[in-house]
Amino acid sequence: NAGVTQTPKFRVLKTGQSMTLLCAQDMNHEYMYWYRQDPGMGLRLIHYSVGEGTTAKGEVPDGYNVSRLKKQNFLLGLESAAPSQTSVYFCASSYSMGTQPQHFGDGTRLSIL
Amino acid sequence: QQQVKQSPQSLIVQKGGISIINCAYENTAFDYFPWYQQFPGKGPALLIAIRPDVSEKKEGRFTISFNKSAKQFSLHIMDSQPGDSATYFCAASKQAGTALIFGKGTTLSVSS
Repeated sequence: NAGVTQTPKFRVLKTGQSMTLLCAQDMNHEYMYWYRQDPGMGLRLIHYSVGEGTTAKGEVPDGYNVSRLKKQNFLLGLESAAPSQTSVYFCASSYSMGTQPQHFGDGTRLSIL
Repeated sequence: QQQVKQSPQSLIVQKGGISIINCAYENTAFDYFPWYQQFPGKGPALLIAIRPDVSEKKEGRFTISFNKSAKQFSLHIMDSQPGDSATYFCAASKQAGTALIFGKGTTLSVSS
């Protein structure tokens, strides 16, 4: 059972380039989340989804877009990457929001030069 | 506005000692308080969680103590082991379908 899988694991981009981070979960969870983790800042919610076809903004949504076309997949896009978006990105999923355990992937390390 | 304040930022404990990490929250509507453990290169994983109707919850060497009046909760790791070396995040949420709010994390190093 794979759980939550994130692709790619590492990526280096140049400023202005675009890319998409892919998250896939095989636990039939309704809720999915994208976080970024920066030193001393903890985990900050970028966007989340409460079900297929739905998305909502989190704490730090600017510069990112998301899509949830299939229940098992949640995509995070950077249209024009900026150095401030250098971070480790984590995807998570859960049965419900707030009080159920969130299952995290192992992260994508993204560097913007 | 930081809704969950976590301290200390880093902690060094000797093997066999007690590790204590503290969190304070502001929103009295919070009613679910989990702790997540993260090893280097991995994503966080739920360690233990508590609801405000109890003052303490214990799972093995890990205990959450909860003080509703002070709006504080803490994680105690008894008989700390080198394998406990990780980053620990406290979090809080309301039951009514809202997102978890995470603290900034505590990096624990247990020396052998």
